[in-house]
Amino acid sequence: NAGVTQTPKFRVLKTGQSMTLLCAQDMNHEYMYWYRQDPGMGLRLIHYSVGEGTTAKGEVPDGYNVSRLKKQNFLLGLESAAPSQTSVYFCASRSLRREPNQETQYFGPGTRLLVL
Amino acid sequence: AQSVTQLDSQVPVFEEAPVELRCNYSSSVSVYLFWYVQYPNQGLQLLLKYLSGSTLVKGINGFEAEFNKSQTSFHLRKPSVHISDTAEYFCAVRPFSGGYNKLIFGAGTRLAVHP
Repeated sequence: NAGVTQTPKFRVLKTGQSMTLLCAQDMNHEYMYWYRQDPGMGLRLIHYSVGEGTTAKGEVPDGYNVSRLKKQNFLLGLESAAPSQTSVYFCASRSLRREPNQETQYFGPGTRLLVL
Repeated sequence: AQSVTQLDSQVPVFEEAPVELRCNYSSSVSVYLFWYVQYPNQGLQLLLKYLSGSTLVKGINGFEAEFNKSQTSFHLRKPSVHISDTAEYFCAVRPFSGGYNKLIFGAGTRLAVHP
């Protein structure tokens, strides 16, 4: 049981380049989330999904797109990267079920992105 | 809307000393409350959560937190810290209602335990 995995672990992009971050979970969770973490700001929600084929905007969605074509995967895309998107990106998932771990989000190890 | 304030960005403490990390929140609706820990170069891990019932919640690694509704606080405590507790700690809330499924995080408190 790998939990939540993220690919890649590190990436350096030039301004204007595009890339996709992949999040995969093997816990059959319905909810999945993408956050970015910046110094002194905690984690901020970019987009989230409450099930296969559905996505919704979070707190800071501009410049990002997402897709959830399969229940276990949640993709985060940057169409035209900007230096302001330099950050650490975390994916998380959560089950709809109340037990045994009600309300617990499980986080991946993160992707460190540098945009030059 | 909800917000979370972690009053200390950094807390230095000596090994075996007690520690308290402070968290206050603002919300017009009832919320669930959480503390997550992030060890260096790792993702976040749930430390403890308050959903209902007793306001004193015990978590992993000897940590506990007390929910105080009147003061809208959820401070994290440990009576005796270890070097291995050095990490960043995040307080978070999730509203009961409104169709929200997302956590709102504080800015984090960096706990540095010194020998």
